[in-house]
Amino acid sequence: DSGVTQTPKHLITATGQRVTLRCSPRSGDLSVYWYQQSLDQGLQFLIQYYNGEERAKGNILERFSAQQFPDLHSELNLSSLELGDSALYFCASSVGDKTYEQYFGPGTRLTVT
Amino acid sequence: AQTVTQSQPEMSVQEAETVTLSCTYDTSESDYYLFWYKQPPSRQMILVIRQEAYKQQNATENRFSVNFQKAAKSFSLKISDSQLGDAAMYFCAYRRAPVGAQKLVFGQGTRLTINP
Repeated sequence: DSGVTQTPKHLITATGQRVTLRCSPRSGDLSVYWYQQSLDQGLQFLIQYYNGEERAKGNILERFSAQQFPDLHSELNLSSLELGDSALYFCASSVGDKTYEQYFGPGTRLTVT
Repeated sequence: AQTVTQSQPEMSVQEAETVTLSCTYDTSESDYYLFWYKQPPSRQMILVIRQEAYKQQNATENRFSVNFQKAAKSFSLKISDSQLGDAAMYFCAYRRAPVGAQKLVFGQGTRLTINP
């Protein structure tokens, strides 16, 4: 158990819908990262937050957005869902924004039908 | 942009034997970190081992060790005395040193099967 929690574990929804994925980092960690794992794209970095502020953006679609709240939990919002958005979404956390070790949560499996 | 390549989509090894997984990377940076993550069927991403580029000594964690060749941009993982619980997808990952974006860049993974 890494100490990073993600909810829900599984999510099934229809195209065009909007969903919110939630992540709680390890106690004391200020940085949160979101990654997407899909069959065709592999593991890709989406976005990083540090202590409430956006620090880096990767290949995140405009339909996707994220935020980190004062209690340091983070949410990833996915809207206008398409079949291709079906994937495993991981949250990872680290102590600082420059700390080299990232600890991953168990992931949320999103299925868009 | 940094890239990570794992040229072996699948590997298999007999239980108790040794296996080596390959990874190469491309970067223009001189300071960075390299990692091996394990993803068992549970899908959890588990950090196996890390290597700092400025360190010449290869990292070791129990039965896991790496062969880091900085000039060749090669970072292989050796698993000794393979156990059934080692069966998983293994991902090699790169992260630049503490300047700028701290994202992990992953390879495509190697699926390791352990034969009893």
